[in-house]
Amino acid sequence: ETGVTQTPRHLVMGMTNKKSLKCEQHLGHNAMYWYKQSAKKPLELMFVYNFKEQTENNSVPSRFSPECPNSSHLFLHLHTLQPEDSALYLCASSQITDRGQAFFGQGTRLTVV
Amino acid sequence: GESVGLHLPTLSVQEGDNSIINCAYSNSASDYFIWYKQESGKGPQFIIDIRSNMDKRQGQRVTVLLNKTVKHLSLQIAATQPGDSAVYFCAENPRTGKLIFGQGTTLQVKP
Repeated sequence: ETGVTQTPRHLVMGMTNKKSLKCEQHLGHNAMYWYKQSAKKPLELMFVYNFKEQTENNSVPSRFSPECPNSSHLFLHLHTLQPEDSALYLCASSQITDRGQAFFGQGTRLTVV
Repeated sequence: GESVGLHLPTLSVQEGDNSIINCAYSNSASDYFIWYKQESGKGPQFIIDIRSNMDKRQGQRVTVLLNKTVKHLSLQIAATQPGDSAVYFCAENPRTGKLIFGQGTTLQVKP
C-alpha cells in the first residue's frame, strides 16, 4: 500500500457515457497528479494540483475534466471519450516543497468501447 | 524538449546474476532522480533515489549510479530474483517539481 487509493480499478465505458475516476491520498501531501500510461509510451503527465489549485494542464482534451475539492482527493471526470483514450490512469501525490518522490496509486484501467 | 530515456526496452537475465538498467537524461539542470518499479497490474513503486550532489547511492540489493558529465543514470540489482521481474522507469524531478519519465525497461528474470 502506497497511501494512494484509486477507484475503480477497472472501468469499461461507451463513448457517450460519463464516468469519474477517484483518487484519495492519506499521506498529508499537498500536490496531486494525474498521469496517463499507454502501451509502449512513457507516463504522460496530464494535470497537476498544488494546494488544491490546478497549476498544470498538459494540453489535455476537454473531455477530461479534473477536480480537486481538497488536498486529499482528486477526481477525473470523463465524457464522450474516444477508443484511443483507453489506457491506465494513474494518480500520484507528493510533498511539493520537497521536490521529492511521488507516490502512485494502483491505477484505473480504462477501456473505451 | 526535455526527455528521459532508457537504452533498452527489454533486459533478460538469469536468476542470481546482477542486472544493470541504464537511463539517459537530457535536462542538465535536473537535480533529483528516481527509479521506479512497476509490476503487472500495479502502479509504479519507488525503489531508490539520488540527488545530483551524489554519484552513488546504495539500498537493499540496489545501487543507483549518476554520471552528470554524460547525463547517465543506472540501476544495478544484485542477485536478481524472479520477483524483480517488472518494468523499471527512471524519472527526473527538475526544478519545476514535476516528474519526467522515460519509456521503461522490462526486466525478465529467467529461472
